[in-house]
Amino acid sequence: EAQVTQNPRYLITVTGKKLTVTCSQNMNHEYMSWYRQDPGLGLRQIYYSMNVEVTDKGDVPEGYKVSRKEKRNFPLILESPSPNQTSLYFCASSLYSYNSPLHFGNGTRLTVT
Amino acid sequence: AQSVTQLDSQVPVFEEAPVELRCNYSSSVSVYLFWYVQYPNQGLQLLLKYLSGSTLVESINGFEAEFNKSQTSFHLRKPSVHISDTAEYFCAVSAFNSGAGSYQLTFGKGTKLSVIP
Repeated sequence: EAQVTQNPRYLITVTGKKLTVTCSQNMNHEYMSWYRQDPGLGLRQIYYSMNVEVTDKGDVPEGYKVSRKEKRNFPLILESPSPNQTSLYFCASSLYSYNSPLHFGNGTRLTVT
Repeated sequence: AQSVTQLDSQVPVFEEAPVELRCNYSSSVSVYLFWYVQYPNQGLQLLLKYLSGSTLVESINGFEAEFNKSQTSFHLRKPSVHISDTAEYFCAVSAFNSGAGSYQLTFGKGTKLSVIP
């Protein structure tokens, strides 16, 4: 089954404790992206990747890191999480960046205390 | 910068009534347009898309959207809603950003559709 898999679904952590949210897709998509969803703000892009070893900042990249060492994986890293990073995070992928629909994971709800 | 405006943050509607969810965008260049739906506790799913050709596009579950270039709109409509249509709907626009030298996908802030029995 074609899918984008995110883990974990729920994560509660404390300020400053490094964490990684994993994302994997099995559709051989070139484009992958991370979004955060907050009430009243919709979806905001954190980082995206056009292909392996190619990543770029989205609208809200501060406090986040990503890597794309393999085509299927695109982990999101929070080196020192802060409470303002409490949010719902989505990973998404598509065949191409401009005219292909995005396939979304089921989300990771992160709480930073 | 490109912007996407969904004029209504919440739309309550009675079951079997028609509904229109509005979406306007700011780009003046060629665009690709999408509507996504998010059911509770799930990720977003593609509902329908406009890439080229006929300006009226339809989904498998009865929704349709019409691309209006002169009004820069892509409103979503359904003639008769069901309880199962209760969800949040997001409009998204992909357009070439000359400053960045690449296409940029921008989401609206979403419209929560609540279908009342």
